[in-house]
Amino acid sequence: GEDVEQSLFLSVREGDSSVINCTYTDSSSTYLYWYKQEPGAGLQLLTYIFSNMDMKQDQRLTVLLNKKDKHLSLRIADTQTGDSAIYFCAESSSNTGKLIFGQGTTLQVKP
Amino acid sequence: GAVVSQHPSWVICKSGTSVKIECRSLDFQATTMFWYRQFPKQSLMLMATSNEGSKATYEQGVEKDKFLINHASLTLSTLTVTSAHPEDSSFYICSAEDQGYEQYFGPGTRLTVT
Repeated sequence: GEDVEQSLFLSVREGDSSVINCTYTDSSSTYLYWYKQEPGAGLQLLTYIFSNMDMKQDQRLTVLLNKKDKHLSLRIADTQTGDSAIYFCAESSSNTGKLIFGQGTTLQVKP
Repeated sequence: GAVVSQHPSWVICKSGTSVKIECRSLDFQATTMFWYRQFPKQSLMLMATSNEGSKATYEQGVEKDKFLINHASLTLSTLTVTSAHPEDSSFYICSAEDQGYEQYFGPGTRLTVT
């Protein structure tokens, strides 16, 4: 079935770049998403990429998509303490249109 | 931007009682809304898809008689947890889909059953 996998934890120093990785199984996914969740809150859509794109940049965020390897990454440049949160990648199921979420990566930013 | 609200943001109830959670799209109409459940430090699990004016579609393993969903209007869906038990304690998040099929998430409702 459809599955999305992420590493669970990443720790970086303030000012460094963070790279959060994600793999997925549905090669027919149309869109792939990155969401941010702060403690006790809902999900905030950060960015998304259409499956026929390789890269998308939005200010400090860069999304890279390797469709052959079914690998998605989110790079956060100049990471700030306010970036500390859980980051979820998600794919839009080609069968149902539903979102399939990874387990979430907890990003810890040390001052 | 599109805003989705949930009410209440947190609720504590006694075992055996029922709790209703509301999900509203504030500035757009949502034909489809989704209900998710999230356990601590885990991902979101889709419980059901709610379509305005029709019965909800439940995911496998989700008890439809326990988690009652009503999507009475294009801006409101409700989730009622009936006869709640401590194992129903969780973070419930809804999302609403706009005309462009993008999902906007509510802030979540923390349910604690004692």
